[in-house]
Amino acid sequence: GAVVSQHPSWVICKSGTSVKIECRSLDFQATTMFWYRQFPKQSLMLMATSNEGSKATYEQGVEKDKFLINHASLTLSTLTVTSAHPEDSSFYICSATPPGLAYNEQFFGPGTRLTVL
Amino acid sequence: DAKTTQPTSMDCAEGRAANLPCNHSTISGNEYVYWYRQIHSQGPQYIIHGLKNNETNEMASLIITEDRKSSTLILPHATLRDTAVYYCIVRVAGGNQGGKLIFGQGTELSVKP
Repeated sequence: GAVVSQHPSWVICKSGTSVKIECRSLDFQATTMFWYRQFPKQSLMLMATSNEGSKATYEQGVEKDKFLINHASLTLSTLTVTSAHPEDSSFYICSATPPGLAYNEQFFGPGTRLTVL
Repeated sequence: DAKTTQPTSMDCAEGRAANLPCNHSTISGNEYVYWYRQIHSQGPQYIIHGLKNNETNEMASLIITEDRKSSTLILPHATLRDTAVYYCIVRVAGGNQGGKLIFGQGTELSVKP
């Protein structure tokens, strides 16, 4: 089956620093990837849609200048949390759909747990 | 906002069938019912989806009522590894909405020995 990986799996950083999270589709090309955030005991919240070769589309209430998304190739999307603060601590998950499948058969990465001190 | 309603939690004995209900009374004619699950601290996993006919795959069965206002996900022989949060999602397959999935609160299924 399709595999989506994320790196790193967890990261701890100091307040004010920036953190980059990578999302890769390992065995397929993905023109579109999605980024979600999940706080403890809560459901996943869609943050943005990452489009290869163009600007990301952000959901309402998500600061595009704080959460920078770059989809530079068909197998890699990156999410950079700029000037991270403790309230940004969360579980970040990406997903993608292999070509030929309906968009909703999404394959998710294992997630990246961010802790901001 | 999510268009589905699910019980917050359910228990199931190992080896028995787990039946997870979902209400989607406002579902539109072109919207599918999708089920995903999330095991603790992992990314969600696709289980199954359907439009109006019942569906079955190697993981589960999906029963959709005739009026399509509710559905039930059935895990025929639950194991301890099926303990997870199960999400029922309704939306149009593909289309111009870009494939976005809107997750509700889901049902936390606990399979007990």
